[in-house]
Parts: sequence; structure tokens; C-alpha cells
Amino acid sequence: KNEVEQSPQNLTAQEGEFITINCSYSVGISALHWLQQHPGGGIVSLFMLSSGKKKHGRLIATINIQEKHSSLHITASHPRDSAVYICAVRSNNDMRFGAGTRLTVKP
Amino acid sequence: ETGVTQSPTHLIKTRGQQVTLRCSSQSGHNTVSWYQQALGQGPQFIFQYYREEENGRGNFPPRFSGLQFPNYSSELNVNALELDDSALYLCASSWDYGTGELFFGEGSRLTVL
Repeated sequence: KNEVEQSPQNLTAQEGEFITINCSYSVGISALHWLQQHPGGGIVSLFMLSSGKKKHGRLIATINIQEKHSSLHITASHPRDSAVYICAVRSNNDMRFGAGTRLTVKP
Repeated sequence: ETGVTQSPTHLIKTRGQQVTLRCSSQSGHNTVSWYQQALGQGPQFIFQYYREEENGRGNFPPRFSGLQFPNYSSELNVNALELDDSALYLCASSWDYGTGELFFGEGSRLTVL
């Protein structure tokens, strides 16, 4: 069992839909990162969380430390949101990654 | 733009050769970490340097080594290349190794023939 589990693996949505991607982890962490990777490889950091909730534009990320669970929400999704979303946790001096969620938003 | 640059962007090597990949971090970022991402998979943590010393390492053999320099640049060296080393290698810098936001470079794509 992976220490960082993401769901769903693949997600197709229509433009405008509300999207939720989930991440569960089984190790103690100092921080959780949500990352976005477009085709071609570049990774962009969306959020870094150690508690609570953060919002940036149409993106919202939450974390529940007690339940070891985080969610990434995208409101009013747009085709340009199509990408792979990766959850990563920092544990001690190590980083563990989820397998990613491939999101496709259709116009 | 993250302010983190990597070189080269693409390179081809043959099995058994050695390779050095370079990363230039944002000014003031004292932590750099390196990741390997095989095609179709998520990144895997190779190691992390904090103030020029390795302070964390993933499940990679000793032929993967690194250096971090005072001018915010760093290197990833891989000796005795194997076919399975073919991957995208990413570096990320941050101002704090525990809770700092990560700023990724665009990566170096290595092909081993």
C-alpha cells in the first residue's frame, strides 16, 4: 500500500463543473503539497499546507491532520485546468508522492 | 516562471556513462531537492541538500550523488548509467527544508541507450 493515495486516478469533467481530488496519507508529515503538472513535464506548486484551508483564485485546498486527508477543489473548471494533479507529503527529510490524478476538462 | 533553471534540457547517454545535471535555485533558497520521474509515473525523491549538506535521501543507490554550492546552484551526478535511469530529473528549491513552498525547474530529460 502506498503511503500517499490519491483518488480518483482519472477524472473527466465538463467546463464549469466543481471538481474534487482527494489525498490520503499514512505517515506523519510536516507539510503537504499540491502540485500541477502539464504535458511536457513542468511542475508548478499550487499549495503548501500544514493545517486548515487555503484559497487561490478558483482553487481551494484543505487538510485534516487528524484524519490524514487533504482535498483539492477547483470551482468553475476550465479546459486550461486540464493537467495532472499530484499530492506530495514531506515526512522527516523525505518527500512521498501520490501517483497523480489526470484531470481533463472538456469545453 | 519559478526562477529555478535546469540544464541541459535534454541529453542522451549510453549505458555505463556518467552524467551531471545542473540546477540554479532562486536566490536565498537554502534547500534544493532532486526528483526522478519515469515516463507515466509520479516523481520519486532522490535527495535533498540544506546549506550544502545532504539532509535527506530516498531509496536511490550511492551512484546517485549531489552537490550544493554557496551560489544557490547544485548538481546531480549519476555514475554507471543504466537503462532504467532514463527519466525526467527535476530539481526544486525552497527557503526552508521543513515547510517551505517548492519551486520546480522545468527538468532535464535523460535518455540512456
